[in-house]
Amino acid sequence: GESVGLHLPTLSVQEGDNSIINCAYSNSASDYFIWYKQESGKGPQFIIDIRSNMDKRQGQRVTVLLNKTVKHLSLQIAATQPGDSAVYFCAETLANQAGTALIFGKGTTLSVSS
Amino acid sequence: DAGVTQSPTHLIKTRGQQVTLRCSPISGHKSVSWYQQVLGQGPQFIFQYYEKEERGRGNFPDRFSARQFPNYSSELNVNALLLGDSALYLCASSPSAGGGYGYTFGSGTRLTVV
Repeated sequence: GESVGLHLPTLSVQEGDNSIINCAYSNSASDYFIWYKQESGKGPQFIIDIRSNMDKRQGQRVTVLLNKTVKHLSLQIAATQPGDSAVYFCAETLANQAGTALIFGKGTTLSVSS
Repeated sequence: DAGVTQSPTHLIKTRGQQVTLRCSPISGHKSVSWYQQVLGQGPQFIFQYYEKEERGRGNFPDRFSARQFPNYSSELNVNALLLGDSALYLCASSPSAGGGYGYTFGSGTRLTVV
């Protein structure tokens, strides 16, 4: 079978390493997905999004991969920096349905040491 | 441009009291959603308002209510506070009723019930 990354509640990396954060989503009908970064005492901050008609999207130092077959998302952060330390959440929703909630996955705490 | 603004930033209330939290969305955004985030967990959906009408409601008791004003700002009211209502309350604004254009979160109101 296909190997899918496991969700880890915490991830510790060295500065300069690449980080991969995994997330399983719950609703096979979800068609819009967002990764958020949340620092202590702050609200979630948008990182990158992807729609269900795509399987990969790249931003600045970040890449999101979507595997609809197994309902899995991953966030890849290149050359991780200490400022990337935070809790990361994936979220799913229906793009065109009014009143639909953002459903958040289990967060991953990323710790970057220099 | 101002982001999503929430007030107050911190609040301490006694069990049984009532509280009102306020949110101003990004200029031009007509949708406001409210989320509750308990320590160590992801945000949970409470309400969505669009064009001053409730469009979605999460699994929260009737003690929670909200409204949206003609200028698209919003208030969240919680009556008969319980200790378990202690949480970070987040407001998110979006330009549309559906989530397909993303949600921008404020920094939240930290509510402590004693």
